[in-house]
Amino acid sequence: TQLLEQSPQFLSIQEGENLTVYCNSSSVFSSLQWYRQEPGEGPVLLVTVVTGGEVKKLKRLTFQFGDARKDSSLHITAAQPGDTGLYLCAGGERGGGADGLTFGKGTHLIIQP
Amino acid sequence: KAGVTQTPRYLIKTRGQQVTLSCSPISGHRSVSWYQQTPGQGLQFLFEYFSETQRNKGNFPGRFSGRQFSNSRSEMNVSTLELGDSALYLCASRLELGLWDEQFFGPGTRLTVL
Repeated sequence: TQLLEQSPQFLSIQEGENLTVYCNSSSVFSSLQWYRQEPGEGPVLLVTVVTGGEVKKLKRLTFQFGDARKDSSLHITAAQPGDTGLYLCAGGERGGGADGLTFGKGTHLIIQP
Repeated sequence: KAGVTQTPRYLIKTRGQQVTLSCSPISGHRSVSWYQQTPGQGLQFLFEYFSETQRNKGNFPGRFSGRQFSNSRSEMNVSTLELGDSALYLCASRLELGLWDEQFFGPGTRLTVL
């Protein structure tokens, strides 16, 4: 069974600060996705990374896939209260295949005004 | 394009009862996956349906079952409900892009078992 460990589990910071969330595994994934979930709603896909070493930017969010495709990070610059939510990483075991995604347990992020 | 829809949004049942949840994927998506989300275990994969056939199954007891119809709509059924089945049940519509695929989630059905 593949596992994804996310850290930290909880993070509360002030508006304007920077932060990094990590997603680590001992297994190789063909793709890795980051989602953001708000209370009572389903996760919303933010980005998919598929190439080792890949970096993608989405406004103030920067996503990186490790060279060995076993880990990923999400960096938020100048965090804002609207960034508050549960951030989930999910690994795909093989491309275009039939397997479900393996999810980390998430990072609960609170940005205080 | 309309997103993934799930009905009902909230459900309260008692132990021993059964429940059926419904999911309509994004138009054109043929694959539907179901997940259970709880505070302790996070998101766990239940099963996936593609073209009316179960293609993969997670590690859940046989009380959890599903099916998919010819219009790609899917239903999930849980029989003999237990207190531990209380969770947010999420349906995801999958877009297969060749080397990888992306999943788009519905808002979920919040099931409470009393």
